[in-house]
Amino acid sequence: EIVLTQSPGTLSLSPGERATLSCRASQGVSSSFLAWHQQKPGQAPRLLIYGASSRATGIPDRFSGSGSGTDFTLTISRLEPEDFAVYYCQQYGSSPITFGQGTRLEIK
Amino acid sequence: QVQLQESGPGLVKPSETLSLTCTVSGGSISSYYLSWIRQPPGKGLEWIAYIYSGSTNYNPSLKSRVTISVGTSTNQFSLNLSSVTAADTAVYYCALTAAHRGGFDPWGQGTLVTVSS
Repeated sequence: EIVLTQSPGTLSLSPGERATLSCRASQGVSSSFLAWHQQKPGQAPRLLIYGASSRATGIPDRFSGSGSGTDFTLTISRLEPEDFAVYYCQQYGSSPITFGQGTRLEIK
Repeated sequence: QVQLQESGPGLVKPSETLSLTCTVSGGSISSYYLSWIRQPPGKGLEWIAYIYSGSTNYNPSLKSRVTISVGTSTNQFSLNLSSVTAADTAVYYCALTAAHRGGFDPWGQGTLVTVSS
């Protein structure tokens, strides 16, 4: 099983700042089959990024994903108030599908 | 656009079977991976299983207790989880994955299932 470790656990930033979230895999994620999801309180998660770097439909271009192998990054270029949420990475290159434990992005 | 809705009992007794159905509207499920994912209160996400073109894949941690199937209605799929305990209390989500894309999209709104006597 691929274990995904996200860092930091909590990130405190202000609107307008840049956010960098990390996801490290215990072994290589094949074909960059890595996704990022955003979850707000009381809501279902929403897909932001798939294939490590492709934005899902309707996702603003301030969200970008990068990385390969075992190290992946989600970057939010300029934080908007609605971006404060929990972010999960997810790998779907090998079974079982696994998620990271999440990074909470909070307003400073 | 495609939307998903979970349905089923919100309360299940210990040792019984949890049964949920996901109804998909706005599109056909035939070209998607159909998944169930759960989230215990205040915790992270755990993938349970998927079914695709008649083939199933289960999380080994739950495999002995889980069955996923496509329903008799063409746009429904279901989850059965047997011998539940309090540890199975969670919000249960259904979600789709397009084979050419990956990731779960869209998700249902989720349904809270509490295991308690």
